[in-house]
Amino acid sequence: RKEVEQDPGPFNVPEGATVAFNCTYSNSASQSFFWYRQDCRKEPKLLMSVYSSGNEDGRFTAQLNRASQYISLLIRDSKLSDSATYLCVVNPSNTGGFKTIFGAGTRLFVKA
Amino acid sequence: NAGVTQTPKFRVLKTGQSMTLLCAQDMNHEYMYWYRQDPGMGLRLIHYSVGEGTTAKGEVPDGYNVSRLKKQNFLLGLESAAPSQTSVYFCASNAGSGHTYEQYFGPGTRLTVT
Repeated sequence: RKEVEQDPGPFNVPEGATVAFNCTYSNSASQSFFWYRQDCRKEPKLLMSVYSSGNEDGRFTAQLNRASQYISLLIRDSKLSDSATYLCVVNPSNTGGFKTIFGAGTRLFVKA
Repeated sequence: NAGVTQTPKFRVLKTGQSMTLLCAQDMNHEYMYWYRQDPGMGLRLIHYSVGEGTTAKGEVPDGYNVSRLKKQNFLLGLESAAPSQTSVYFCASNAGSGHTYEQYFGPGTRLTVT
C-alpha cells in the first residue's frame, strides 16, 4: 500500500461545479497535511495546509479525518483557472518537516 | 528575492555521461531537497539536507550523489547517467524544524537520457 494515495482522475467538471478530492494516508502518526497545486509543466506550490478543525480559504475547504486517515479538498464554484493537478502531502511524523510524502496527484479539468 | 532557482532547465545526456544539477535558494532555508517526478509516480525524494555540510538519503538515492557545501546551494550529481534517470527533477527548500513545513520548489530540470 502506498503511503499516500489519491484518485488520479482526471476529474472533468463544468465551470461553477463543486468538486471534491480525497486522499488517504497509511501512517497513523502523521502530523502535518497539505494540499499543493501543480500546473502543467510547472513546479508544485502550496495551496493550503490542513488543520484538524478543518479550514477554508475562499472557495477551497480542506478537512482532516484522523480516525479514517484521510484528508479532503473541496472546491466550490470551479473556475477555468482551477484546472491543475492537486497533490496531497503528508509529513509522517513531527520531525521537523523534512520527511514529506507526496501523493501522485489528482488531475482536474474545468471546462466552459 | 528569486526564491529557489535551478540550472539547467533542460538537458539531454547520453548513457554513461555525467552531470551536475545546481539548486540555489536565497531564503536562508535550512532544509533542502531533491525530488524526481515521473508520470503517475508523484514526487519521490532522492536526497535531502537538514543543514550546511549534511546530506541524507531519501526514497530513491541510487545513482545520485549530493553535496551541500554552502547553505544556499544543493548540488545533485549523476555520475553515469542511465535511461531510467530520464525525469523531471525538482529542488525544494523549507525553513526547517520549528517553522512552517511549506516547501518552496524550483522550476525544475527536464533531463532526458538516451
